[in-house]
Amino acid sequence: GNSVTQMEGPVTLSEEAFLTINCTYTATGYPSLFWYVQYPGEGLQLLLKATKADDKGSNKGFEATYRKETTSFHLEKGSVQVSDSAVYFCALTFRNEKLTFGTGTRLTIIP
Amino acid sequence: GAVVSQHPSRVICKSGTSVKIECRSLDFQATTMFWYRQFPKQSLMLMATSNEGSKATYEQGVEKDKFLINHASLTLSTLTVTSAHPEDSSFYICSADRGEQFFGPGTRLTVL
Repeated sequence: GNSVTQMEGPVTLSEEAFLTINCTYTATGYPSLFWYVQYPGEGLQLLLKATKADDKGSNKGFEATYRKETTSFHLEKGSVQVSDSAVYFCALTFRNEKLTFGTGTRLTIIP
Repeated sequence: GAVVSQHPSRVICKSGTSVKIECRSLDFQATTMFWYRQFPKQSLMLMATSNEGSKATYEQGVEKDKFLINHASLTLSTLTVTSAHPEDSSFYICSADRGEQFFGPGTRLTVL
């Protein structure tokens, strides 16, 4: 079946550091890929997505590129802020049907 | 736009009782809603797909008689955990489909 593996947390970084959260997937075919973010006490929000190979999703300074050769969708940000502290989920879906999530990575940014 | 609410946000109940969780799309109509369960430090697992006006579709291993889903209107789906036991304690999250899934804030259920 389909699965998503993402970097285990927690991850703690200093403000303005470079962030990478790794995500790889296993699926038959080419799914759409997503990063969701869950801020404390809130629901999941779509952060960015990519629907085909070599697409780059970007939002709020975050980026991720759909790499079919390595079946990866790593999340990056050049300079993190305290407000980026949250739990990040990588996910995939086919034809906008059910989502398969990774385990989530808790990110804490210290001033 | 595209706000989804859940009620209650937290509930504590005694073993053997039933608990109902509501999921509402506040500013859009959703023919399809999804119910997920999240254990501590684990991923969200899809429990069932709720379709307005028809029976829910349950994932393998999810007991449909224990987790009753009703999607009676285009803005409301409910999940009832019947005869709850401590092992049902978890974080339950719903989402509503509007081309993409919009998630509610979740409900933390604790069964004593």
